[in-house]
Amino acid sequence: DTAVSQTPKYLVTQMGNDKSIKCEQNLGHDTMYWYKQDSKKFLKIMFSYNNKELIINETVPNRFSPKSPDKAHLNLHINSLELGDSAVYFCASSQGGSDGYTFGSGTRLTVV
Amino acid sequence: AQSVTQLGSHVSVSEGALVLLRCNYSSSVPPYLFWYVQYPNQGLQLLLKYTTGATLVKGINGFEAEFKKSETSFHLTKPSAHMSDAAEYFCAVSERAAGNKLTFGGGTRVLVKP
Repeated sequence: DTAVSQTPKYLVTQMGNDKSIKCEQNLGHDTMYWYKQDSKKFLKIMFSYNNKELIINETVPNRFSPKSPDKAHLNLHINSLELGDSAVYFCASSQGGSDGYTFGSGTRLTVV
Repeated sequence: AQSVTQLGSHVSVSEGALVLLRCNYSSSVPPYLFWYVQYPNQGLQLLLKYTTGATLVKGINGFEAEFKKSETSFHLTKPSAHMSDAAEYFCAVSERAAGNKLTFGGGTRVLVKP
């Protein structure tokens, strides 16, 4: 059983489209995160939810909207996709700061 | 805000040689420190972590790291590199005051030569 699963694994879409990435964790963790990894492998946090409540919202265009229907799920919806949104998006979950995160395998988004 | 600096974006080692990856951090409070490994087209996997207590921590795959508060460092080592160690390695610090946000260094790509 995959601990943190993301779908889809690959996403190729045209500029201007709207797309969603789904994430689910079966670890019972209270906190979930979205990270963006750019082409230089740099990882930057986008959002964090703790038990369905938004607790971290970094400087991200408002075209990106996270939604957490319950503490096991955190989805990412992106409106009006732009070329610069092409990246790998990672979902992660954690039970506390000292535990670190468990990451999903990533979603590679390519905007053409 | 906390920050993490990894010296060297690429490291090349021979199989059987020492692997040394450098990480320095800035933090106003005692941090939690982590090393993650990313294999091609995969997610990040926790190698080891320092929270409290013993400053030399051992992780998976023969890696270890030493927390040195005076040097604000958390360097990662492995005595003998194996071909399977070729990957991207990330050092990270947890900001307890900011929702346990993990801030990552820029990563170091390790190439292992036969």
